[in-house]
Amino acid sequence: QKEVEQDPGPLSVPEGAIVSLNCTYSNSAFQYFMWYRQYSRKGPELLMYTYSSGNKEDGRFTAQVDKSSKYISLFIRDSQPSDSATYLCAMVVQGAQKLVFGQGTRLTINP
Amino acid sequence: DADVTQTPRNRITKTGKRIMLECSQTKGHDRMYWYRQDPGLGLRLIYYSFDVKDINKGEISDGYSVSRQAQAKFSLSLESAIPNQTALYFCATSDSRGRYQETQYFGPGTRLLVL
Repeated sequence: QKEVEQDPGPLSVPEGAIVSLNCTYSNSAFQYFMWYRQYSRKGPELLMYTYSSGNKEDGRFTAQVDKSSKYISLFIRDSQPSDSATYLCAMVVQGAQKLVFGQGTRLTINP
Repeated sequence: DADVTQTPRNRITKTGKRIMLECSQTKGHDRMYWYRQDPGLGLRLIYYSFDVKDINKGEISDGYSVSRQAQAKFSLSLESAIPNQTALYFCATSDSRGRYQETQYFGPGTRLLVL
């Protein structure tokens, strides 16, 4: 079993829809959680960073962490065609050497 | 991100050839990483370096070697390229002194095709 599971999609939704992207994990020691966005032919870029259970909001994006269920989510409100990209979750144990990434979910927002 | 650059951006090579991928950064970060990305497998860590004298293997280091020539430069070599090393390769950096030291910043990637 992978440490981090993420549905690879692809996921296609109409413009303006609310998008929910999710990851589950098995290692209860993970303490820091990130979402990266990767456009086609580009490197991943950090979108959200959280370290506690609960919600963190940044504009149209909300990151949610539920440590008791080992589950994290990224919500995108009022989705735009420019949000079309692959979204990767990543997490790390405090003091550990490396991030553990999910497979990435490919998202397309249709005008 | 222009702060992390990778050369070449695209490379086609033949089985058995030795090739080098280069990464440079102007972010002043001390930590650098090499990943490969394959469809359905996500990002996998090849090697990482926490400073010039520190080199560590990642989860898939076989067939690869690295050199940290300076704090700002980290090169990845494929000693004898094979077709299953065809992938997208990313360099990343992080700052151990930063508030969010776990955050990594990625270069634009090198697309490698081994024939």
